[in-house]
Amino acid sequence: RKEVEQDPGPFNVPEGATVAFNCTYSNSASQSFFWYRQDCRKEPKLLMSVYSSGNEDGRFTAQLNRASQYISLLIRDSKLSDSATYLCVVIPANDYKLSFGAGTTVTVRA
Amino acid sequence: SQTIHQWPATLVQPVGSPLSLECTVEGTSNPNLYWYRQAAGRGLQLLFYSVGIGQISSEVPQNLSASRPQDRQFILSSKKLLLSDSGFYLCAWSGGGVGGTEAFFGQGTRLTVV
Repeated sequence: RKEVEQDPGPFNVPEGATVAFNCTYSNSASQSFFWYRQDCRKEPKLLMSVYSSGNEDGRFTAQLNRASQYISLLIRDSKLSDSATYLCVVIPANDYKLSFGAGTTVTVRA
Repeated sequence: SQTIHQWPATLVQPVGSPLSLECTVEGTSNPNLYWYRQAAGRGLQLLFYSVGIGQISSEVPQNLSASRPQDRQFILSSKKLLLSDSGFYLCAWSGGGVGGTEAFFGQGTRLTVV
């Protein structure tokens, strides 16, 4: 089983729609969680950290469900500029390694 | 503020040639350093990470090696490139210590082995 798994998509949504997707992780001792955004042929960039209580950053909401071992990302009022691949990242406790999911592709159409 | 530099941005190398990619970080001390590779349309594969000078952990046995000669310098090397070494190579740094701070990436090197 992969350490981190994501639905690859693609999710094709119209502007203004809400889109949400999950990422599951296998190591129950995982401690830190992040969402990254990667544009085509570019490096990944940190979108937001994921906190136990859930957190929002503008139109983006991240949630953590430790019992079911997944994190989620919800994008409200989608913009064309939200089109990208979204990578989830998990770091186990007592470890240095960041494990990346393969990414979920989101395409927002006009 | 912290910055990470990675070069070159693109590289075309013949099979069997050597490789050296360099990454440096500014504005922080004792960072964790990482080399990832991303094949076209695929996820990020961790190749090496380092938690200190001279300390290298290899994740995947392969044709590559890494070195950390200075605190904020990380080098990826190969003596003889294979076609399968083509990909997008990304260097990253994170705060020192275990369990977790976010990582920040360099702009990447797109390597094509011909």
